[in-house]
Amino acid sequence: GAVVSQHPSWVICKSGTSVKIECRSLDFQATTMFWYRQFPKQSLMLMATSNEGSKATYEQGVEKDKFLINHASLTLSTLTVTSAHPEDSSFYICSAPGTSATDTQYFGPGTRLTVL
Amino acid sequence: RKEVEQDPGPFNVPEGATVAFNCTYSNSASQSFFWYRQDCRKEPKLLMSVYSSGNEDGRFTAQLNRASQYISLLIRDSKLSDSATYLCVVNPGGSYIPTFGRGTSLIVHP
Repeated sequence: GAVVSQHPSWVICKSGTSVKIECRSLDFQATTMFWYRQFPKQSLMLMATSNEGSKATYEQGVEKDKFLINHASLTLSTLTVTSAHPEDSSFYICSAPGTSATDTQYFGPGTRLTVL
Repeated sequence: RKEVEQDPGPFNVPEGATVAFNCTYSNSASQSFFWYRQDCRKEPKLLMSVYSSGNEDGRFTAQLNRASQYISLLIRDSKLSDSATYLCVVNPGGSYIPTFGRGTSLIVHP
């Protein structure tokens, strides 16, 4: 099946710094990628839909100026958490959809962010 | 009402037990349905798709009831390695953006 990678797998940073997370589709092209956030013992929450060559679509309540998304190519989407604070500490996962609405998604392994 | 609802559990069962999870969804136009498994601190992994006719994969059986808008997952002969969170995922019609349930935690003990 299709493979999606994420980098880094974990990061610890100081409050106020910015953190960039990369999501790559390794053996296929993805015009769309999804970014999720998951807090402990909670479900995956969709943050935004990343679209190659155009602006991302953010879900209600997600600050687009804080979570910058760039989908610069058909194989790479990046999420930058700007001026990170401890409450941004979470598990961030990207995914690429299958080829149809009945297809599954292909998840990256996730990035665990801890903001001190 | 949430779009996809699951009992969060945890379901605590002994090895060898049979356990069933249900998931209800609110969008009657939903097209496709999946069960994912998520281990702690890992990404979700597809367990199985759910078809109207029902489908079975080894010890796992998934069923869809469109009239009542719920899907189920049955695990027979539970193993310790089945301990995980099981996520119900529904794809709305006409969209690739899936909706996740909050997950049901399963703990299988010796």
